[in-house]
Order: sequence, then C-alpha cells, then structure tokens
Amino acid sequence: TQLLEQSPQFLSIQEGENLTVYCNSSSVFSSLQWYRQEPGEGPVLLVTVVTGGEVKKLKRLTFQFGDARKDSSLHITAAQPGDTGLYLCAGPKETSGSRLTFGEGTQLTVNP
Amino acid sequence: GAVVSQHPSWVICKSGTSVKIECRSLDFQATTMFWYRQFPKQSLMLMATSNEGSKATYEQGVEKDKFLINHASLTLSTLTVTSAHPEDSSFYICSASSLANEQFFGPGTRLTVL
Repeated sequence: TQLLEQSPQFLSIQEGENLTVYCNSSSVFSSLQWYRQEPGEGPVLLVTVVTGGEVKKLKRLTFQFGDARKDSSLHITAAQPGDTGLYLCAGPKETSGSRLTFGEGTQLTVNP
Repeated sequence: GAVVSQHPSWVICKSGTSVKIECRSLDFQATTMFWYRQFPKQSLMLMATSNEGSKATYEQGVEKDKFLINHASLTLSTLTVTSAHPEDSSFYICSASSLANEQFFGPGTRLTVL
C-alpha cells in the first residue's frame, strides 16, 4: 500500500517566518503533486514534480522532489497570512496512474 | 486551468433521504471523474473512479449501493448518497481528468444529515 506521510500535521507561525513541510513515503512515485486547500473549497494544484532531485519555485514557495522519488518538501519563505491553508501532497496510485493517493495534510496558520 | 463545478455547494437533509450531487467539467471533456470525501481536519479519501459510459470503480470499504455514481456524459457525473445517515455528513469533492491525466477539483459539497 502506498502511503504518503506529511509532517508536521499542524503548524502555526508568525508572519515573516520560514517553514518547511515534508511528504515522505517508503514507495517510489512517478510524480508528486502539492495542493493548497482553503476551508469550504476544493484543493488547488500548486505544482507537480516529476524528476528525482527536481526543484521548482513558485514565488516564495520552493518544492523539491527527492532523488529517489520517495519524498518531497515544500518550503515557504517569509510566510504571509494569505498562505494559511491545508497543504496536501498527492501521488498516483501504482495500480492506476490516474487515481491519486493523498497525504494527511499539513494545516498551516500564519498569524499577522 | 480547467473549471469544475459542483452543485449544490451545501445541502442539509433528513436521515433516510437520498441526496444527489452533480459534478460538471465546464470547459473540457472529462474522460474520468473522481469522487472524494473529506472529514473535518482530515485529508481527501478517494471513494470511486468513474469513466463515462461505464460502471464506477469503488475503493475498498466504500459501499457501491450506498453511493451511486452515474457518469452519463463527458461533462457530468453524479453521486447519489442513498438513505443518508448522520455519519454520511461530510465534504464531498469531485475531480475531473482529461486525457492528460491532470485532475481538476471542484469546490466541494457540504452534506449535513440531520
């Protein structure tokens, strides 16, 4: 069974601080995706990482895919209250590339 | 990005009644649609995968007779929660996938069963 473990589960920080969220698995994934979800809404795709060792930047967000494609991280620089939300990593189930398995999520709160 | 809508956005019903939730891909044809449920403070759990014109594939532990899925066209899938009970109260989210396999998520439907 492919499991994605996210840490931390909850994170509350002050505006301007940096943070890193981790997504780990014992399984190899062909790709991993990061989503952000706000209360009462569906998840919104932030990025897809495909190549082992890949680093992608999206403004203040930096995403990294592990060399072995078993883990990924999301680093936010100078967090802002607008970054508050549930961050989810997801990867394709090995038996079907179109079905996704999600991590448990990291609830981030950035206080002004 | 592609737009996926859900209707209704929230619904309150009495125990024992059935509720239908619609998922529409507005600007693309979705070969596959997925249904998820999400409990408060938790992640998304895949319930079923539906392909247009064929029977849905349910994840282990999801009752197919309880959660009826119909995918009659490339832009519409429906989820019917039959004989709903309070424990079915949840946030139901659909996603739609094109041939490129990227999933686009709907805004979700909040179901509350009294």
